[in-house]
Amino acid sequence: KAGVTQTPRYLIKTRGQQVTLSCSPISGHRSVSWYQQTPGQGLQFLFEYFSETQRNKGNFPGRFSGRQFSNSRSEMNVSTLELGDSALYLCASSSPGSGSPLHFGNGTRLTVT
Amino acid sequence: DQQVKQNSPSLSVQEGRISILNCDYTNSMFDYFLWYKKYPAEGPTFLISISSIKDKNEDGRFTVFLNKSAKHLSLHIVPSQPGDSAVYFCAASEDNAGNNRKLIWGLGTSLGVNP
Repeated sequence: KAGVTQTPRYLIKTRGQQVTLSCSPISGHRSVSWYQQTPGQGLQFLFEYFSETQRNKGNFPGRFSGRQFSNSRSEMNVSTLELGDSALYLCASSSPGSGSPLHFGNGTRLTVT
Repeated sequence: DQQVKQNSPSLSVQEGRISILNCDYTNSMFDYFLWYKKYPAEGPTFLISISSIKDKNEDGRFTVFLNKSAKHLSLHIVPSQPGDSAVYFCAASEDNAGNNRKLIWGLGTSLGVNP
């Protein structure tokens, strides 16, 4: 079974631009979660999508948004990029059912200059 | 303010010995805890979890202990192997059924196992 796939692996953008990151979950997984990882803050929850609906949301500004498609693939968008948005963005999928762990992709490294 | 704290940024142990990684939390609503391992340039990989209704969970070389009164959990790896060298993250959520995908994470402990 293929794992969680995130594209692109690396991205360099300038302040004020917007960016879209993509995540393909493990086949059969309907829940997709997004996390931001920075050295000082660690992993922080952005949002979770399940069956094309946002089911949970973290404490990030509205510049961070996401969506999920009918095939469970998900995209995350960040508008009006700021230097502080430079981070590793991780996507994780999980199967339905209690206790199902998150399966992470290898992340997209975003650098904002 | 960090609700999940891993106070040791790094730990070094000899191959074959026990590795003990510690995690403290402040939110008494947390009732499901997980440990993940992360190698460089890869995403975190799930290791083991524990619900607050238990105080111990074991899976092969890995055992997690939970002390609710102290708001403390620990991961024991016995025996430690060089391949265990990685960053270990403790995470928690407010859902003892494990359905909540909103996890609160510690900053990680880098474990080095020396041959």
